[in-house]
Amino acid sequence: SQTIHQWPATLVQPVGSPLSLECTVEGTSNPNLYWYRQAAGRGLQLLFYSIGIDQISSEVPQNLSASRPQDRQFILSSKKLLLSDSGFYLCAWSGTNYNQPQHFGDGTRLSIL
Amino acid sequence: QKEVEQNSGPLSVPEGAIASLNCTYSDRVSQSFFWYRQYSGKSPELIMSIYSNGDKEDGRFTAQLNKASQYVSLLIRDSQPSDSATYLCAVNFPGGGGNKLTFGTGTQLKVEL
Repeated sequence: SQTIHQWPATLVQPVGSPLSLECTVEGTSNPNLYWYRQAAGRGLQLLFYSIGIDQISSEVPQNLSASRPQDRQFILSSKKLLLSDSGFYLCAWSGTNYNQPQHFGDGTRLSIL
Repeated sequence: QKEVEQNSGPLSVPEGAIASLNCTYSDRVSQSFFWYRQYSGKSPELIMSIYSNGDKEDGRFTAQLNKASQYVSLLIRDSQPSDSATYLCAVNFPGGGGNKLTFGTGTQLKVEL
């Protein structure tokens, strides 16, 4: 069966520091991968999605970036964090056939001080 | 503009009652619809997928889809306190690529003893 791993679970970072969140999927090949942010009490905001290695689409202009160096690895990064980057970051995967649901990792709760 | 609308709640129902959660969406040609459950502080968990008009039952859950009215609902029979969570409706709008989903902001359900 497929599993998705996301780490770290919680992170506290100062303003202006860099960020790297990692997500890996097991049990499937060539998945679609997604990064979301959920601010407190808000809905899910799609940040990036990827249909293959080095194929990244950005949904929202911001100071975040994403990379997919391997088929089942998806990384969210920032060079300098802002206070507004606080939130619950979720990685998800789906199959490539149309109409496939997405499945989420456990998430990373990021607090910026 | 592709939108998914949900009443934020909270929707309070007594234990053992039927909880009815509703969702409307903006694009008549959408083909796939999903319900996710999100406990406080946790990531969303897929509970139902529906693709055709009518009802789809899975245990205590029934999803209902009416494409003509652009309406999808989730019924939870014999509601239990463990069903207390936020329920997210998600729609795959055509043309978005990569199985992207648009999520509603969720309905908070409270099942009271």
